[in-house]
Amino acid sequence: GQQLNQSPQSMFIQEGEDVSMNCTSSSIFNTWLWYKQDPGEGPVLLIALYKAGELTSNGRLTAQFGITRKDSFLNISASIPSDVGIYFCAGRSRSSNTGKLIFGQGTTLQVKP
Amino acid sequence: DAGVIQSPRHEVTEMGQEVTLRCKPISGHDYLFWYRQTMMRGLELLIYFNNNVPIDDSGMPEDRFSAKMPNASFSTLKIQPSEPRDSAVYFCASRPTGGSEKLFFGSGTQLSVL
Repeated sequence: GQQLNQSPQSMFIQEGEDVSMNCTSSSIFNTWLWYKQDPGEGPVLLIALYKAGELTSNGRLTAQFGITRKDSFLNISASIPSDVGIYFCAGRSRSSNTGKLIFGQGTTLQVKP
Repeated sequence: DAGVIQSPRHEVTEMGQEVTLRCKPISGHDYLFWYRQTMMRGLELLIYFNNNVPIDDSGMPEDRFSAKMPNASFSTLKIQPSEPRDSAVYFCASRPTGGSEKLFFGSGTQLSVL
């Protein structure tokens, strides 16, 4: 089935540093979503993207819908300890006629104070 | 406004026992999804409903798994008999009809089958 390749798999950074992660697919997507999961909780939606080239911010988070429609990027500026968690990309393929989202494998972020 | 509510938060059972997980979606949401999360396989979609009707159950691993949605505010995922390899976190999620695709997750049920 369709898969999303999310990278990096994990990151260990110093507080204050900027973070970048990305997600790529083998097919064209109509929608990209970015979620964050805290330990013991369900994923929480951070940013949703619907158009190629779209750049959307949510506080220190910025995400972009790649112009090829096969990738998306999430950047976190000036990281803080509470940014720790697992970040997931998710999307819906243009060829999909269902309500199903495909999820990436996640990027685990650790921030050292 | 309450989010997606799942119960129980934790379930520990012995192999062979029946397990029932419960979910109350956000009011007004027409779509309900059941996901399973493991370290090895990440987030896997098991089944989803639209207006209480199962639309796609291709992710349900075996006949031991079944899901129902008797009304718009309640769904169950049942495993019978349970096996140790079923140990995982099970999430319920819902979203409204429309093009936003924004999925809202519950806090999950941590299932341990001994």
